[in-house]
Amino acid sequence: GQNIDQPTEMTATEGAIVQINCTYQTSGFNGLFWYQQHAGEAPTFLSYNVLDGLEEKGRFSSFLSRSKGYSYLLLKELQMKDSASYLCAVSWSQGNLIFGKGTKLSVKP
Amino acid sequence: GAGVSQSPSNKVTEKGKDVELRCDPISGHTALYWYRQSLGQGLEFLIYFQGNSAPDKSGLPSDRFSAERTGGSVSTLTIQRTQQEDSAVYLCASSSLGSVSYEQYFGPGTRLTVT
Repeated sequence: GQNIDQPTEMTATEGAIVQINCTYQTSGFNGLFWYQQHAGEAPTFLSYNVLDGLEEKGRFSSFLSRSKGYSYLLLKELQMKDSASYLCAVSWSQGNLIFGKGTKLSVKP
Repeated sequence: GAGVSQSPSNKVTEKGKDVELRCDPISGHTALYWYRQSLGQGLEFLIYFQGNSAPDKSGLPSDRFSAERTGGSVSTLTIQRTQQEDSAVYLCASSSLGSVSYEQYFGPGTRLTVT
């Protein structure tokens, strides 16, 4: 079956670093995406990993280990505007995405 | 350029009525996806189009749900005899399968409320 797990909620302090983990079990794998979704808005693309290792993009980095079915999203120098839900999604066939339920991140001053 | 657009943005309907939701993908994007998101839930895949054909309809929850795409562009999702459990935000996304990453661009969604 298809299964993606990530924590439901996390809280962190402004200026800190937070790591959001995602584990997956899917019938195929064409890559792993992270999306950001602010309340009441559509998801927006953050990162894509298809090979093992770390992809860095400014304050955001994403890591993938295909053998472990594991990824994480690392957010540095947290800002209040980073309060949002972070969705882990696996592309398993023809670009179809299976989404996790999302991790709601609250950034406190 | 223009992003993915969806209409209406909000729809309130009575139980038992039919509704039609529209999606205009990004120009040139050949792949189009429909998802729904219920309160506090993740995105649930409904159907995927490549051009005008739907190779994967596995996510449609019942035969009350159908979708079509014409001219490789606009898509409509139709829900017949709506039920209260159909209340959700319906999101459309498009992507260019010519890109390596298949990144999907989402529209703003249609919030459907069935009373």
